[in-house]
This record gives sequence, C-alpha cells and structure tokens, in this order.
Amino acid sequence: NAGVTQTPKFQVLKTGQSMTLQCAQDMNHNSMYWYRQDPGMGLRLIYYSASEGTTDKGEVPNGYNVSRLNKREFSLRLESAAPSQTSVYFCASSVLSSEAFFGQGTRLTVV
Amino acid sequence: GENVEQHPSTLSVQEGDSAVIKCTYSDSASNYFPWYKQELGKGPQLIIDIRSNVGEKKDQRIAVTLNKTAKHFSLHITETQPEDSAVYFCAASRRDSSASKIIFGSGTRLSIRP
Repeated sequence: NAGVTQTPKFQVLKTGQSMTLQCAQDMNHNSMYWYRQDPGMGLRLIYYSASEGTTDKGEVPNGYNVSRLNKREFSLRLESAAPSQTSVYFCASSVLSSEAFFGQGTRLTVV
Repeated sequence: GENVEQHPSTLSVQEGDSAVIKCTYSDSASNYFPWYKQELGKGPQLIIDIRSNVGEKKDQRIAVTLNKTAKHFSLHITETQPEDSAVYFCAASRRDSSASKIIFGSGTRLSIRP
C-alpha cells in the first residue's frame, strides 16, 4: 500500500519555466490537498479538493493552478515559476477533513 | 479567514523533562484538532488527535487538551526522549465536512538535550 505518492522528489527550474507536480493516492480518499512549507511559516494551504471535479483556493493560491484528474490524482501546476515559489511542496489526502496522510514532498528550487 | 497560531516556534528541553506546545484557532466551527510530527526529510504524520466533544486525550507519553471556550488546545509530551526531537504541527478542521480545509499552525521545532 503506497499511500500518497508525489513526483518528482527534487526539481530545479529557471524563472519563467512551467512544471506540474504530480500526486496520487491509493486510499480511496475523497479530499486532497497541496501545501507548501517554508522555514518559519509552517504548512500553508495552496489548493484543496473535496471531491473529484471540485477544487478550492487555500491561503496562498496565487501563481498556481490545480487539476483533480480523478479520485486518485491531484496535480499542481506552476505556469511561470518565480524564485518566491522555492519551497517544499506536500500533497496530502484524507477521508473528508479528518486525518491527513502526506506524501514525502517535492523540493523545488527556482533560480 | 481561518487561522491557527502555534507557540513556541522552537523549544529545547532536557531529556526526561516535559514539553508543552500551545495552539489557538479562530474558526469556532472547527471540531477536529490533530497533531502531526515531522521528521527530517519526511512528510508530517499524525501522532494524536482530539474532537471538540472531548476535553483531554492521552496516549502513553503524549496528551492533548482542548479548551473550546478559549479556542485553545495543547500538546503535552512527558518523559521526553531523543526520538521526540522533530517539528510538531497543530491543525484544525471541521471533521466530517466534505468542503472543509485543514489549517496548520506554523510548527514547533522541539530539541531534546541529552
């Protein structure tokens, strides 16, 4: 049972480049989330999806887009990367809004 | 919007002593308060949680208390051990709500001194 799988684990982008972070869960969870983690800032919610076909903005959505492709997959896209988006990104899933299970994270550096 | 504040940001305690981390939340409709532990290079993992209809919950050396009136909840770790060194996060949400988001505190880096 893999849980929550994120790809890639590491990525370096140049300013202005685009990329998509992939996330998949095999626990049949309805809710999925994308967080970013910066030193001293904790985990800040970027977007979340309560169910397949629905997405909502979190605390820091600017510069990001998401797609809930199906129940298993929730991707995060950076259309034009900026140095301020250098961070560690975590995907998580849960049954409704209870215990969240996290992936191992993607360490993104924008130069 | 919803907000969760967590204190302190760093905490150093002697091995064997107790550690206490405190959080406050703003959304009065929140009814689920989990605590997560994050070890280096890994994603956070749930260590204990409490629902709003309970004032205290204990699991071996860790306990969580909740004061709904004051919108405060706290994590207590007793008889601390080196493996307790990690970053701890509190969170709040409306459990069983399909449209609710999980909001996290800013984290506490706990160090256990030998």
